[in-house]
Order: sequence, then structure tokens, then C-alpha cells
Amino acid sequence: KAGVTQTPRYLIKTRGQQVTLSCSPISGHRSVSWYQQTPGQGLQFLFEYFSETQRNKGNFPGRFSGRQFSNSRSEMNVSTLELGDSALYLCASTRSGGAENEQFFGPGTRLTVL
Amino acid sequence: TQLLEQSPQFLSIQEGENLTVYCNSSSVFSSLQWYRQEPGEGPVLLVTVVTGGEVKKLKRLTFQFGDARKDSSLHITAAQPGDTGLYLCAGPLDSNYQLIWGAGTKLIIKP
Repeated sequence: KAGVTQTPRYLIKTRGQQVTLSCSPISGHRSVSWYQQTPGQGLQFLFEYFSETQRNKGNFPGRFSGRQFSNSRSEMNVSTLELGDSALYLCASTRSGGAENEQFFGPGTRLTVL
Repeated sequence: TQLLEQSPQFLSIQEGENLTVYCNSSSVFSSLQWYRQEPGEGPVLLVTVVTGGEVKKLKRLTFQFGDARKDSSLHITAAQPGDTGLYLCAGPLDSNYQLIWGAGTKLIIKP
């Protein structure tokens, strides 16, 4: 069974631009969560989508948004990029959500903001 | 302030040595998960501990959940270079679907 895929793997943007990242969960998984990982802060939860609905949201500004499609694929968008948005963005899928269920992670998208 | 504190933040030891890393909180968790993340990849689940006092073994790795379900430890016996990675603990916040993550322990095993 194919794992979680994320595209692109690497991205370089400049301040003020916007970016869209994509995540395809494991087939049959309906929950997708997004995380930001930086050396200083560790994994920070962005949001979780289940059946096309945002079910949970972390403490990030409104510049960070996401959506989920009917095939469970998810995208996240960051507008008006800031230098501090440079990070590894990870998505994880679970079959039905629930924090006690194992999360399967993709390899991440490394975003660099110049 | 991290809800889950991991220590040490960084550990570099020689192959063959033993080590223990910790995951502590002032809050009670219904379960805790341990993940290992290698460079360029996402975290991979190693184990989930659920019952207070529970001990689980995965080859040379021993995981323990504290009796009060506020802390957990990971002990590695005879560490090998393949154990190198970032070890993360995570737990669910009450009945919320959101996982809370520790900042991780970066482990380097030198041959």
C-alpha cells in the first residue's frame, strides 16, 4: 500500500508570496493533519481535516489555511509569507482520526522563505 | 512552555552504550506514543503505551509509561548507529483529536 505523499518536496519562496502544499493520504484514510516542524519549536499542530471538514485547528494565524477534497487529498496554503514560515511542513493521515490512532507521516515539504 | 518536556535535547554516544531518554509532563495522558524521525523523512511510530506502569519492548528498545501516566521513558540497550534519529513523544490532549508533541531528543550513535 502506498504511503503518504507530499508535493513538492522542496520549495523556495520570497517574503510576501503565497504557497500551496499538497498531501495525498494513504488509501482509505479519511483524516489528514498538518504540522509545522522547526528546530526550535518541534512539531506544531496546524489543523486536521476529516471528511472535507476542518475538525481541529492549532494556534496559527489566519495566513495558514487548508482544505480537503472528496478523495481525502488535502492542501494547505500560506499567504503573505514571512521569514519565520521557513520550516518542514508534514502531513499525517489516519484511517478515522482520533489522537490515539497511529499517524502515518509523509516525508514533508521543506519550505525556505528568503 | 511545552506540555511534554523531553530530555535530554541532544545525546551523542558510542556504539554499544546504553541510554535513556525521558518524556515528562505535569498533565495526565490517556496514552503516549513514541516516534523516530530520520533526516529527510517524517516520524514513524515505534510504540504506544496506554496503561500506567506499562512496559513494552521492541528488540533493544524498552518503553515505560509512568504509574501516574504523566511521564514515559525510552531505554536503548547496546545502541547501534541505526538508532540515530530524532525521538519524539506525543500524547492526546483529553478527548480532543489533537496530539501534543514533545520537542524531541536528537540521538547520535557513533560507530
